[in-house]
Amino acid sequence: DAKTTQPTSMDCAEGRAANLPCNHSTISGNEYVYWYRQIHSQGPQYIIHGLKNNETNEMASLIITEDRKSSTLILPHATLRDTAVYYCIVRLVGSSNTGKLIFGQGTTLQVKP
Amino acid sequence: DTAVSQTPKYLVTQMGNDKSIKCEQNLGHDTMYWYKQDSKKFLKIMFSYNNKELIINETVPNRFSPKSPDKAHLNLHINSLELGDSAVYFCASTQGAVTEAFFGQGTRLTVV
Repeated sequence: DAKTTQPTSMDCAEGRAANLPCNHSTISGNEYVYWYRQIHSQGPQYIIHGLKNNETNEMASLIITEDRKSSTLILPHATLRDTAVYYCIVRLVGSSNTGKLIFGQGTTLQVKP
Repeated sequence: DTAVSQTPKYLVTQMGNDKSIKCEQNLGHDTMYWYKQDSKKFLKIMFSYNNKELIINETVPNRFSPKSPDKAHLNLHINSLELGDSAVYFCASTQGAVTEAFFGQGTRLTVV
């Protein structure tokens, strides 16, 4: 699985969009980009994933660059409850993959009133 | 209805003891995992079972022995507990290797 690089921490004002970047320059063609978050003391929570097209769900949007070497997770209207550690993970999806997730250090997002 | 539930939530025990952590999922998934989150907050895979068969064992000391009586349950037994075993242990499940993972709320193990 390819390695990812994320900023250690970011701040965001409540109600504003939070844009969390992730670099994955060694990603291969059949690897997906996944985002999870971990709110203090809780288990990690799945947010969104994508291969090459931009994706949107009720929680967030995922923008993947055309060369797929980086992506941005967008929380459109951050709330205080979005304060968490956000993990960008690249993983192979398919029968040859065991399904394990390799977590990096993540980005600690602090949403401020 | 909790999708992935772990018991106990907190466990404090003395060095040298043997303890077990239990995990159950009601999602109908066929693959379950144990992850360890240490004091520096790094999350690392330990084990994975698919349909009761061990498929991942990430060089974990053999004092740790996972057991899967059926595909809805994955328990973790730890022998001869050491101070360094203190961590939060998370159970997770997926359907094969394709779907997103659902995590339990964690078991905070403290060895004194």
